[in-house]
Amino acid sequence: NAGVTQTPKFQVLKTGQSMTLQCAQDMNHEYMSWYRQDPGMGLRLIHYSVGAGITDQGEVPNGYNVSRSTTEDFPLRLLSAAPSQTSVYFCASSYLGGGTDTQYFGPGTRLTVL
Amino acid sequence: GQQVMQIPQYQHVQEGEDFTTYCNSSTTLSNIQWYKQRPGGHPVFLIQLVKSGEVKKQKRLTFQFGEAKKNSSLHITATQTTDVGTYFCAGRSGNQFYFGTGTSLTVIP
Repeated sequence: NAGVTQTPKFQVLKTGQSMTLQCAQDMNHEYMSWYRQDPGMGLRLIHYSVGAGITDQGEVPNGYNVSRSTTEDFPLRLLSAAPSQTSVYFCASSYLGGGTDTQYFGPGTRLTVL
Repeated sequence: GQQVMQIPQYQHVQEGEDFTTYCNSSTTLSNIQWYKQRPGGHPVFLIQLVKSGEVKKQKRLTFQFGEAKKNSSLHITATQTTDVGTYFCAGRSGNQFYFGTGTSLTVIP
């Protein structure tokens, strides 16, 4: 199993540009989520999904869109990048319930917005 | 809104000393998880606590979940250089996970 994969690993954008961060998992997990990690602020939940066709907002959803058309994929879209979106982005997946909510994280995407 | 605070933010210890990080939530949690993130890496799951007052051990690591299910701690006995990294707690409330701010541990050989 590849686990959780993310592409790209690094990205530099100019203010106003759009892009999609890709996330895929091969563990048949219902739950997928996107976090951003900023120094001194831990990981903050952007959006999450409990299954294909279902998405919901987390703590910091503004400026980001998501969709979940398949169980495996959960892309994160930045429609008009801003310098405040410079961060490290992690995608994670897990089962829900069943006694454990272990979240498996991808390797991350380091995004810089100029 | 939901807040999960973690202290201290940084901790430097001599190798062989003990280390503790504390996690406090503003609301009751369904469960609490602990993760470790090595420098430049991604968070890796360590353990999950579910029951009020639960205590779990993993070799030199001891995890506790408070009676009110609003606080937790991670204690490492006799730290080693391999323990270096940032330790995060994460509390589940509904379908959302709230991460603490993390404690960055430096172990001085």
